[in-house]
Amino acid sequence: DTGVSQDPRHKITKRGQNVTFRCDPISEHNRLYWYRQTLGQGPEFLTYFQNEAQLEKSRLLSDRFSAERPKGSFSTLEIQRTEQGDSAMYLCASSSEATGSYGYTFGSGTRLTVV
Amino acid sequence: GNSVTQMEGPVTLSEEAFLTINCTYTATGYPSLFWYVQYPGEGLQLLLKATKADDKGSNKGFEATYRKETTSFHLEKGSVQVSDSAVYFCALSDWNKFYFGSGTKLNVKP
Repeated sequence: DTGVSQDPRHKITKRGQNVTFRCDPISEHNRLYWYRQTLGQGPEFLTYFQNEAQLEKSRLLSDRFSAERPKGSFSTLEIQRTEQGDSAMYLCASSSEATGSYGYTFGSGTRLTVV
Repeated sequence: GNSVTQMEGPVTLSEEAFLTINCTYTATGYPSLFWYVQYPGEGLQLLLKATKADDKGSNKGFEATYRKETTSFHLEKGSVQVSDSAVYFCALSDWNKFYFGSGTKLNVKP
């Protein structure tokens, strides 16, 4: 098992462009989470999936953000019309329903810079 | 609601010094408490956890005790090493998602 993989590691985009990130969880984990970490802050919860169902969304997830997990395996996080305030590290994590937060594994993150 | 407050950094220590990083929390219900560590350019790694009051989590010489009466979960290590230099995050969980503190950067000098 290679852990939680995120792609790309770094993304630089111009303001107003759309970006999409991918997360591949640990294969036996049915829960997948997205967090956002801005500079000097701790990660903040954005959303999570159990299998393909998106069960919770934070109010931080504005209408410009959309996340999918179409087949209950990998997930994508898309940001439309990016703004400079979207610059952050986007972290993905996975766990199983049985272990919950005790079994979290975080990916290395995708660092987004909006110029 | 749920929230975590931890001491601001950076904390700079000499090798073999004693480390304390303070963490207090506010929670509804009975959360579990965690310390995560983040090395430069890497993701979050679980350092230790405690699931109920008076539990002590420990790992790699680090310890923290879940104190319900003071709503605290302070991280301690008796003798730090240069390799401990990283950012440390205190967090609580309601089983599903995490609430993180803002992180404390630790610099250990030889």
